[in-house]
Amino acid sequence: RKEVEQDPGPFNVPEGATVAFNCTYSNSASQSFFWYRQDCRKEPKLLMSVYSSGNEDGRFTAQLNRASQYISLLIRDSKLSDSATYLCVVIGRPSNYQLIWGAGTKLIIKP
Amino acid sequence: NAGVTQTPKFQVLKTGQSMTLQCAQDMNHNSMYWYRQDPGMGLRLIYYSASEGTTDKGEVPNGYNVSRLNKREFSLRLESAAPSQTSVYFCASSELGQGVYNEQFFGPGTRLTVL
Repeated sequence: RKEVEQDPGPFNVPEGATVAFNCTYSNSASQSFFWYRQDCRKEPKLLMSVYSSGNEDGRFTAQLNRASQYISLLIRDSKLSDSATYLCVVIGRPSNYQLIWGAGTKLIIKP
Repeated sequence: NAGVTQTPKFQVLKTGQSMTLQCAQDMNHNSMYWYRQDPGMGLRLIYYSASEGTTDKGEVPNGYNVSRLNKREFSLRLESAAPSQTSVYFCASSELGQGVYNEQFFGPGTRLTVL
């Protein structure tokens, strides 16, 4: 089993819709969680951190479910510019540089 | 402020050839990283440098070597390229040292093909 798993998609979603996707992780000792965004043939960029209590940044909401070992990303009122691949990142071992990256979920927003 | 820069952007090698990928950051970050990204897989850490003067192996170091030339520059060398090293290589940097996560800033990547 991979340490971090994501549905590769693509998720084809009409503009203005709400879309959500999850990321599961296998290491119950994982401490920190993040979502990165990667546009086609570009470098990853941090979208948001995921806090235990959940957090919101504009149209984006991230949540953590420790009991079931997954994090989620919800995008409301989706825009064409949200089309990208969303990468889940987990730090499994404290005091360690090694971020564990999911393979990403591809999102396509259609007009 | 250029952030993280990488050269070259594209490279084609023949099996057995060597090359060095260059990376530089102008954000005064302590830590730097080299990743590879293959289709259907997450980014995998090749080597990292927690601070100037130190380097450590990541998840997939075989076939690679690195040099932290100074605080700004971190190079990745392929001594004898193999087709399995065909990938997109990303360099990244972050501000703080070991034990504390910081946002990693990435360069634009190098697309390497080994024939």
